[in-house]
Amino acid sequence: AQKITQTQPGMFVQEKEAVTLDCTYDTSDPSYGLFWYKQPSSGEMIFLIYQGSYDQQNATEGRYSLNFQKARKSANLVISASQLGDSAMYFCAMREGSYNFNKFYFGSGTKLNVKP
Amino acid sequence: NAGVMQNPRHLVRRRGQEARLRCSPMKGHSHVYWYRQLPEEGLKFMVYLQKENIIDESGMPKERFSAEFPKEGPSILRIQQVVRGDSAAYFCASSPDRGLNQPQHFGDGTRLSIL
Repeated sequence: AQKITQTQPGMFVQEKEAVTLDCTYDTSDPSYGLFWYKQPSSGEMIFLIYQGSYDQQNATEGRYSLNFQKARKSANLVISASQLGDSAMYFCAMREGSYNFNKFYFGSGTKLNVKP
Repeated sequence: NAGVMQNPRHLVRRRGQEARLRCSPMKGHSHVYWYRQLPEEGLKFMVYLQKENIIDESGMPKERFSAEFPKEGPSILRIQQVVRGDSAAYFCASSPDRGLNQPQHFGDGTRLSIL
């Protein structure tokens, strides 16, 4: 089974609107961390936000917030007030706390296009 | 504070040649990870190293691929006798420790093209 599933290969959003990028995960480890990365067309990987499995509140970092629904095993990224510079690939990743601790599992990504 | 430095940014090799990819982690980071990204896909874990030690190489192909992180100098991912299927972007990441909440900081990647 896929550890991380991102079901939206591509998304469009109007500038200044909010957008939600979906991510579901699969693990039997009670301790895990969820991460979102942005990959612009230039190719680098930029860390955006982190959510721990025991965190009581949803993580927020500026215009980024994480809609963490533990029972549904989902960790959707919400970008508020989209900007043209947000156009990029977005990857959801997971690290398990007990098993396979050394690696991040990445989803296949969502390509976000912000329209002016 | 410089980020993770990878070089070269682009590397072209002919089938059968060797490819050497270098990675200098962020200052103070002793944990290095290598990932491979095929076109239109996410990153796939290859290997995790600490200084002079390979900790987890479960994602490395059994043949032709090797990695090292010597006491002095950058981490090296080495691919011998390259084939067309090795064409990909190879990313190195580093972290200061192995905390669960510790993000991995990525370099800009090396795009390997096999002719």
